[in-house]
Amino acid sequence: GQQLNQSPQSMFIQEGEDVSMNCTSSSIFNTWLWYKQEPGEGPVLLIALYKAGELTSNGRLTAQFGITRKDSFLNISASIPSDVGIYFCAGQGSGGSNYKLTFGKGTLLTVNP
Amino acid sequence: KAGVTQTPRYLIKTRGQQVTLSCSPISGHRSVSWYQQTPGQGLQFLFEYFSETQRNKGNFPGRFSGRQFSNSRSEMNVSTLELGDSALYLCASSGKMYEQYFGPGTRLTVT
Repeated sequence: GQQLNQSPQSMFIQEGEDVSMNCTSSSIFNTWLWYKQEPGEGPVLLIALYKAGELTSNGRLTAQFGITRKDSFLNISASIPSDVGIYFCAGQGSGGSNYKLTFGKGTLLTVNP
Repeated sequence: KAGVTQTPRYLIKTRGQQVTLSCSPISGHRSVSWYQQTPGQGLQFLFEYFSETQRNKGNFPGRFSGRQFSNSRSEMNVSTLELGDSALYLCASSGKMYEQYFGPGTRLTVT
């Protein structure tokens, strides 16, 4: 089945630093989504990407759909303490399971004030 | 618009029992998906319903089942609970494209 490799697994940074994380897949995805999850809550959708090469921003967050359609990147600029949480990438693939999302294992972000 | 709601938020059951979890999607959304989240396995897809029909199914045993009602509300049922079923169960609804919006989850503990 489709698998997503998300890296890094965790990051510990200082407030104000920029953050980068990425996801790679062994197969092509048609859609990439990025979510953030905080303790005790469900994941919250941050950015959705639908086209290879697409670059989309949401405030200090910027995500890109890789041109090979097998990867995606999320950048957070000028991090603040409330950015703390687990960030997940998710891909929607082609084929019979069109409506199923495959999730990465997540990147745990800790921001030191 | 109200978000996805899930009830109950917390549940403690004993091995061998069964459990039913409920999900109310965002108004107007017709697709509801269920996921199991555990520290070891991450987010695993259970099944997806659209207009009362199961459209996709993940690789879980038949003890896990679900259904969707005409108002798009969905329930999932787990029979003969095992210790390994302890997890956060998340419901997500979708209206357009493949954007899924999650509820807060139901934390199930099996003892």
